[in-house]
Amino acid sequence: GAGVSQSPSNKVTEKGKDVELRCDPISGHTALYWYRQSLGQGLEFLIYFQGNSAPDKSGLPSDRFSAERTGGSVSTLTIQRTQQEDSAVYLCASSAGTAGDTQYFGPGTRLTVL
Amino acid sequence: GESVGLHLPTLSVQEGDNSIINCAYSNSASDYFIWYKQESGKGPQFIIDIRSNMDKRQGQRVTVLLNKTVKHLSLQIAATQPGDSAVYFCAEGVNRDDKIIFGKGTRLHILP
Repeated sequence: GAGVSQSPSNKVTEKGKDVELRCDPISGHTALYWYRQSLGQGLEFLIYFQGNSAPDKSGLPSDRFSAERTGGSVSTLTIQRTQQEDSAVYLCASSAGTAGDTQYFGPGTRLTVL
Repeated sequence: GESVGLHLPTLSVQEGDNSIINCAYSNSASDYFIWYKQESGKGPQFIIDIRSNMDKRQGQRVTVLLNKTVKHLSLQIAATQPGDSAVYFCAEGVNRDDKIIFGKGTRLHILP
């Protein structure tokens, strides 16, 4: 595709349920990032994948959060036992190479935990 | 978590005037800086970047200024237009293999 895509665009779930958010990066981009953005706030870094290197998970807020990237392309962010404070927009970005290259963002997934 | 920049303020500017959006970064080791624009309901979009070996860089209607002495970054938008209404984020990175950290952003509101 022409850009980064994310699915679903909106997700409403009940507290305690698990959710999976998907990101399709731009084809050929080796770097992939997940961010969280709460209403009216900035972007909170979650995790960074670069090629075949071990991901930088330093931004994951708790062990309920995990992410994987299969085949160096599609990534899934999983939140287990969701809490109301997990409600936010989850943004994915990809870039052609290293962190210094321009990041292209997807439209985000708006997660609402009831 | 890690953060860069100020609390999210709102800047109101008359259409046609110049806008200046400021950002204070925290890590003196950062060697590149980026400005992103985020329109309502969309993901951030790259505007312009600058490396630490420069103090000014110009794009189309935008200029980024870097003052490493006081760890300050600014984005200047010339002849502000209604389409410039958005939240603007600065971001910093320490090296090319590291993640970049975003600030909270500044909302730019254009007055008619």
